[in-house]
Amino acid sequence: DAKTTQPPSMDCAEGRAANLPCNHSTISGNEYVYWYRQIHSQGPQYIIHGLKNNETNEMASLIITEDRKSSTLILPHATLRDTAVYYCIFHAISNFGNEKLTFGTGTRLTIIP
Amino acid sequence: GAGVSQSPSNKVTEKGKDVELRCDPISGHTALYWYRQSLGQGLEFLIYFQGNSAPDKSGLPSDRFSAERTGGSVSTLTIQRTQQEDSAVYLCASSQQKSSYEQYFGPGTRLTVT
Repeated sequence: DAKTTQPPSMDCAEGRAANLPCNHSTISGNEYVYWYRQIHSQGPQYIIHGLKNNETNEMASLIITEDRKSSTLILPHATLRDTAVYYCIFHAISNFGNEKLTFGTGTRLTIIP
Repeated sequence: GAGVSQSPSNKVTEKGKDVELRCDPISGHTALYWYRQSLGQGLEFLIYFQGNSAPDKSGLPSDRFSAERTGGSVSTLTIQRTQQEDSAVYLCASSQQKSSYEQYFGPGTRLTVT
C-alpha cells in the first residue's frame, strides 16, 4: 500500500459539512481508496470506499478526482459524535484474501459546538 | 449482533513477563487481523489469519510475538519476555470472507509494560 498525505488536524462547526482531503498521487489503477475513522479509545470504523466513481452511503460521500490522485471525504452535517481521527488508505483487493491495511497518522477532526 | 470483542481491555505487566491477549471475532468471519497502535502513531499490521492458518506473519516485530487461532474463531496473541517498547494498543479485526473490503475492529487491549 502506498503513502497518503492528509492534514494532521481540522476543525468544523457542528451542523456544517466537513470536507477532509487526501492526496494519493502514487495510487495504482487497481487500488481502492478507503476511509476509516477512529473515535477516541475505540477501534477504527469503516466509513466508505471507492475506485473511480464518487460514492455515497448513510455516513458520508467520497469524491475522487478524475486522475485519482486525490479524494475528499464529506460528512454532510457534522455532529459532535463525528469528532475522531480519519484515515485515508489505498489498497488493492487481494485475490488471496489478505486485506491488511496500512494506516497513516490521519486527520484529527474536531467538531466545534 | 455482537461485534469483535477483546480481552483484557487493559493489561499492565512487568518487563520480562509473558502476556496473552484474546480476540473473539464476529461469528462466521473467516479472516482475522492483529494490528498494534503505539502512542500517536497509525496502526501497524502484525498478522493475518484465514481460518486457522496464518499465511501472513510479516508484521510480527520479533520472535517474541506469536499468535494462534483455534476452531476458526478465537485468536490469542502472545508476547513473551515483554519489553517497554511493546507498550501499545493491540487491535483485532475480522472480516466476513476473503477479499472483503470492510474490517470490523474490536476496542483493543491497552498493554503497558513497566
